[in-house]
Amino acid sequence: SQQGEEDPQALSIQEGENATMNCSYKTSINNLQWYRQNSGRGLVHLILIRSNEREKHSGRLRVTLDTSKKSSSLLITASRAADTASYFCGNTGGFKTIFGAGTRLFVKA
Amino acid sequence: GAVVSQHPSRVICKSGTSVKIECRSLDFQATTMFWYRQFPKQSLMLMATSNEGSKATYEQGVEKDKFLINHASLTLSTLTVTSAHPEDSSFYICSARDFGVSSTNEKLFFGSGTQLSVL
Repeated sequence: SQQGEEDPQALSIQEGENATMNCSYKTSINNLQWYRQNSGRGLVHLILIRSNEREKHSGRLRVTLDTSKKSSSLLITASRAADTASYFCGNTGGFKTIFGAGTRLFVKA
Repeated sequence: GAVVSQHPSRVICKSGTSVKIECRSLDFQATTMFWYRQFPKQSLMLMATSNEGSKATYEQGVEKDKFLINHASLTLSTLTVTSAHPEDSSFYICSARDFGVSSTNEKLFFGSGTQLSVL
């Protein structure tokens, strides 16, 4: 299978709460990227973490990477209704990017 | 950031017909583009890597005669679904990396996708 796994598959939270999504991947990586997809649209790049990095921040986003466990997590702090979307991790191990199964986040206003 | 334009956004066709989807990089040259397929509430599955001026590289299990890819210029790649059948109904998305910008050349820029419905 191309895909790694992500959990949870779906997450429903209240506005203002934090949302944490996890991603596991199968092969070695150069970097791991997180993308967001609104329903019926293309993906938008959020943040990239390199294989030699352990944590990265961008605004309300915090990404961690554990290469020994082949896993990454995305934390969205102080969530907003506009954060409602699907979130995917992408494993760029070579030239191609392979995506995880994704987490569907629903933020209730 | 770089912009990738994909057309059409939605197409409905009869079984047996062929459908062409275009993917253009608007403000950068894309020597390589990637075509993904996505079923409802599922992840993106990489179908093929489109290379300008050469044959596309298909992922295992993807029929190259079914999904014809042409990358004739540095800004345009096309995916043609030949003799479409209802099981080909899916969301198809193209993407590209802008290798001209070293600081962001690992990012993928995506088109807005094409929803194909085969009746």
